[in-house]
Amino acid sequence: NAGVMQNPRHLVRRRGQEARLRCSPMKGHSHVYWYRQLPEEGLKFMVYLQKENIIDESGMPKERFSAEFPKEGPSILRIQQVVRGDSAAYFCASSLSGEGYTFGSGTRLTVV
Amino acid sequence: EDQVTQSPEALRLQEGESSSLNCSYTVSGLRGLFWYRQDPGKGPEFLFTLYSAGEEKEKERLKATLTKKESFLHITAPKPEDSATYLCAVQLNQAGTALIFGKGTTLSVSS
Repeated sequence: NAGVMQNPRHLVRRRGQEARLRCSPMKGHSHVYWYRQLPEEGLKFMVYLQKENIIDESGMPKERFSAEFPKEGPSILRIQQVVRGDSAAYFCASSLSGEGYTFGSGTRLTVV
Repeated sequence: EDQVTQSPEALRLQEGESSSLNCSYTVSGLRGLFWYRQDPGKGPEFLFTLYSAGEEKEKERLKATLTKKESFLHITAPKPEDSATYLCAVQLNQAGTALIFGKGTTLSVSS
């Protein structure tokens, strides 16, 4: 009965590289949310997905960031051409029906 | 603009010294208010959801209450293991919409 699984836990990328963050929701959960947490800041919503659909991406930066939740496999948050300002903790949450969100342990991205 | 403000930013208590954390919100339409606990290096852990003014929920030493403008998280006789950051979040209008978080209150309880 695993919870929300995120990997990797820690990711180091050089400026200009790509970062791929993975999130496997709780079994049976079809709603996935991505949040970003900067030092001294609260959790900020990025994107809300259901299987094969982006429902709300109002919190996603317009460039370099994309997300998907395919029919099979984990949800992926992809950051292209990373910059130092992308360094943050990225959290994924899942929900069965839009109620009761369960969070993963996060991926800590460091851009050097 | 929808907004969630938590106070104080940080709180230091002695073991057994009860206190309250505040979460005030200004939103267009509230569906639910959530409290989470976050330990360093970990993801938020769900504590409570409140849906209507006057509602109260309890879990061990914690009790959450809700009014039309704010929520309180009361901590009774805290222990050092209650030390963590407590996050408040609101969900607007309908199920499935994303949560809007406050910046949190970092609680330190010393023995």
